Amino acid sequence: DAGVTQSPTHLIKTRGQQVTLRCSPKSGHDTVSWYQQALGQGPQFIFQYYEEEERQRGNFPDRFSGHQFPNYSSELNVNALLLGDSALYLCASSSSVLAGVRGAQYFGPGTRLTVL
Amino acid sequence: AQSVTQPDIHITVSEGASLELRCNYSYGATPYLFWYVQSPGQGLQLLLKYFSGDTLVQGIKGFEAEFKRSQSSFNLRKPSVHWSDAAEYFCAALDTGRRALTFGSGTRLQVQP
Repeated sequence: DAGVTQSPTHLIKTRGQQVTLRCSPKSGHDTVSWYQQALGQGPQFIFQYYEEEERQRGNFPDRFSGHQFPNYSSELNVNALLLGDSALYLCASSSSVLAGVRGAQYFGPGTRLTVL
Repeated sequence: AQSVTQPDIHITVSEGASLELRCNYSYGATPYLFWYVQSPGQGLQLLLKYFSGDTLVQGIKGFEAEFKRSQSSFNLRKPSVHWSDAAEYFCAALDTGRRALTFGSGTRLQVQP
């Protein structure tokens, strides 16, 4: 049973560019959340997707956008990159219906984004 | 505002010694609580979770955590630490209204031989 997968593993961009990160959820999961983890800090919630719609959003600017596909996979897009966007971007999946594991989010390995 | 606090930034223990990592939360109601572990350059692995019921929960890798409502705490424990336990540990709470995890700032565990 494959867990949460993310691509690419590493990415280097320059300021002002745009980037797209991808996530495939754990089998049986239908909800995808994205988090940003700056160096030395805990992850910060960006947004969550369910039924192909953004269901919740954290305190991140509109430069951060996303998408969820019918197969539940998801993309995170960041426009007009800033130096401060350099971080580990984590995708987490969860199930909206599985009893007994409600709320448990399972994380992928992350994508390390470096903005120069 | 809802928050999770991990008072210890860095802890060093000897291999075979016991371990306790502290976590305090500030929520209006009892949140769902979690402990995750992160090895360098890796994602987060779920160690254990608390939703309700028994206040002592068992997790993977020999870890356990105890929920204490009176102290707003959810401390992680292990009776005997192994060198492979060296990693960053994060306590998190689920804001059920927002469906988003709120994380503490993490505790880095170093294990001495």
